[in-house]
Amino acid sequence: GAVVSQHPSRVICKSGTSVKIECRSLDFQATTMFWYRQFPKQSLMLMATSNEGSKATYEQGVEKDKFLINHASLTLSTLTVTSAHPEDSSFYICSARDGSLAGGEQYFGPGTRLTVT
Amino acid sequence: ILNVEQSPQSLHVQEGDSTNFTCSFPSSNFYALHWYRWETAKSPEALFVMTLNGDEKKKGRISATLNTKEGYSYLYIKGSQPEDSATYLCAPNNAGNMLTFGGGTRLMVKP
Repeated sequence: GAVVSQHPSRVICKSGTSVKIECRSLDFQATTMFWYRQFPKQSLMLMATSNEGSKATYEQGVEKDKFLINHASLTLSTLTVTSAHPEDSSFYICSARDGSLAGGEQYFGPGTRLTVT
Repeated sequence: ILNVEQSPQSLHVQEGDSTNFTCSFPSSNFYALHWYRWETAKSPEALFVMTLNGDEKKKGRISATLNTKEGYSYLYIKGSQPEDSATYLCAPNNAGNMLTFGGGTRLMVKP
């Protein structure tokens, strides 16, 4: 089956620093990748849709200057949390859609636990 | 933003019990409904993708039905096992392929 990796799996950073999270599709080309965030005891909430070679589309309420998304190749998308604050502490998970398949199936990465101190 | 509701929020059952839970979603502009199984610290695992009204899908002891006209889907687990303990997420998507997740049903199966 399709595999999506995320790196790092856990990161602890100090307030004011920036953190980059990578999402890779390992055995397929992902024309579209999605970034989700999970708040404690809540479900996944879509932050943005990342299309290879174009600007990401952000959901309402998500600051694009704070959550920078780059999708420079068909197998890699990155999410950079800039000037992180404790309220950014959360679980971030990406998913990738296989561009060769119809139907919209998405494959998820294992997630990144971000803790901002 | 789609309003997707799952019930119950959590469920405790004994090993061997059969159980089911519900996903409700807007019936307009429906394209597909996805069910995922999500264990803590792991990637959500795709269970089913359902597109047609009246669809029934089965994978082992887990099955699902879909009613697109009234906007709901049921997930059934027959003879629950401890390894079925997880959060089950449903997510409809519109033609833009963006998933909107429900709050999930957290299932705990006691041996």
